Amino acid sequence: GAVVSQHPSRVICKSGTSVKIECRSLDFQATTMFWYRQFPKQSLMLMATSNEGSKATYEQGVEKDKFLINHASLTLSTLTVTSAHPEDSSFYICSAQVGTGGYEQYFGPGTRLTVT
Amino acid sequence: KQEVTQIPAALSVPEGENLVLNCSFTDSAIYNLQWFRQDPGKGLTSLLLIQSSQREQTSGRLNASLDKSSGRSTLYIAASQPGDSATYLCAVSPARQLTFGSGTQLTVLP
Repeated sequence: GAVVSQHPSRVICKSGTSVKIECRSLDFQATTMFWYRQFPKQSLMLMATSNEGSKATYEQGVEKDKFLINHASLTLSTLTVTSAHPEDSSFYICSAQVGTGGYEQYFGPGTRLTVT
Repeated sequence: KQEVTQIPAALSVPEGENLVLNCSFTDSAIYNLQWFRQDPGKGLTSLLLIQSSQREQTSGRLNASLDKSSGRSTLYIAASQPGDSATYLCAVSPARQLTFGSGTQLTVLP
């Protein structure tokens, strides 16, 4: 089946620093990648949708200048949390989709971000 | 705006029982519905995907049904095992994005 990886799996950073999370589709080309965040005991909330070579579309309430998304190739998307604060601590999960429309999404294993 | 609700929020059953998890959604205009499993601190594992034109999908001990007109889906787990303990999420795809329910935390007691 389709495999999506994320790196790093865990990261601890100090308040005010920036953190980059990578999402890769290992055995397929992803037209679209999605970034979600999940707080403890809550469900996944979509942050943004990114298409290769174009700007990401952010959900309402998500600061585009704080959560920078780059989708440079059909197999790689990155999420950079800039000037991180403790309230940004969360579980970030990416997914990758082939084609458009209601196609299945394949999820990465997630990245646990802790901002101290 | 699509809303997805899962009932119950938590469920504890003895090993060997058959069980049903429920998912409801407010907008029946969907492309597909997916059931996922999430273990603590881990990502999502896709269990079953039902296209909007389908009524059910089966994989091993799992069977998922979809009734678009009533906005409901069920996930049936037969002969539950302790290894089935996890949070089960359903998600609907009205467009490219997925809208998730809040999940059902399942504990299967040995």
